[in-house]
Order: sequence, then structure tokens, then C-alpha cells
Amino acid sequence: GAVVSQHPSRVICKSGTSVKIECRSLDFQATTMFWYRQFPKQSLMLMATSNEGSKATYEQGVEKDKFLINHASLTLSTLTVTSAHPEDSSFYICSATNRDSDHEQYFGPGTRLTVT
Amino acid sequence: LAKTTQPISMDSYEGQEVNITCSHNNIATNDYITWYQQFPSQGPRFIIQGYKTKVTNEVASLFIPADRKSSTLSLPRVSLSDTAVYYCLVGDNFNKFYFGSGTKLNVKP
Repeated sequence: GAVVSQHPSRVICKSGTSVKIECRSLDFQATTMFWYRQFPKQSLMLMATSNEGSKATYEQGVEKDKFLINHASLTLSTLTVTSAHPEDSSFYICSATNRDSDHEQYFGPGTRLTVT
Repeated sequence: LAKTTQPISMDSYEGQEVNITCSHNNIATNDYITWYQQFPSQGPRFIIQGYKTKVTNEVASLFIPADRKSSTLSLPRVSLSDTAVYYCLVGDNFNKFYFGSGTKLNVKP
């Protein structure tokens, strides 16, 4: 089956630093990848849609200069949290759609970011 | 922005069948209905997807009436390990998913 990985699985950083999270589709080509954020005991909130070779589309209220998204290839998208602050601490999840087949979105295992 | 409405929580006992209903009154012609399961600190896991009528796989069944304005996820004989949050989503997978609150299923021994 289609597998999506994320790296790292958890990261702790100091306030003011930047953190990069990778999302990879391991066995399929993903035309589109999505980035979500999830706070404790809440649902997933869509942050942005990432299309290979083009600029990401951000949801209303999500700062594009703070959350930099790059989708350089059909198997890799990255999310960089710039100048992180404690309020950015959250669970970040990516998903990908398989361009060659079905209508399923495949989700990664998530990345736990803690900003101290 | 979520297109779906689900009960916030449900309780069940091991061995029972659990049915979770989702309302999606504004479903579009191109939309599919997909259900995901999420455990704490994990990404959502695909359970089942359908467009109309009934779909069954090894873990669940999905019932969709003719008007497609609702759907019901049926989990046969649940176990303690089925305790999780279940999300109903509608959309063309090449577009965006907006997650609703989901249904927190608590399976008791």
C-alpha cells in the first residue's frame, strides 16, 4: 500500500529558531501534498496545499512567511516553521494523493514540535 | 469549513457492532465519502471510502443512501483497540479535506 513518511517524528527547538519537517511518499508519486496542524484534543486543521513545482496555497489565517512550504519533487514536500515560538508547538501531519490511482489521501505519522 | 457533522462521542462494549452516522447535506456530485481512524499522536488511518450504496472491506462497512446526504460507518464486533477518533470526510481527494470534530469512540470491556 501507499506509504507516507515524515521526518523527524518529534523535535524540540528553542524559541526563535527554524525547524524543517519532511514529508515523503515512499512508493508512489504525489502530485499534491497537504499540511495539517493538530492541537491537543482538537481536530486536524488544514494549513496549506502543496503542488509539485508550484507555490503552495495557504488557508486563511496561516502565515505563508512563517510556514514555508516547498514541494520540489513528486515524492517530497517540506514545511519549515520559521522563527518558532511556543505557540507553534503542535502536531504537524502531512498527506499525499496518488496521481496514478484512487481517491484516497494517505497520511503521514505526524511530527510533534515542541518550542521551548 | 467542515462539510460534515458527526456525534462528538459514542460509547460501546467489546463485541458489539458500532454504527457512526455522518451528515453531509451539501455533498457535491464529484465528492467521495471517506472515513479515517486516528489514535493519539498518530496520523489518520484510512478505513473505507465510497461514492454510493454500500461498500464493505475487511474492517468495516459503509452505507450511503441514494441522496448521499449522510453515511454510516459500521464497525462489526469492536474491540478495545478500536477506541479512537473517527472522522468522516467528503471531497474529491485531489482537492482539500476539511476535518470536522470527529467522533470519539470509547469501547469498554
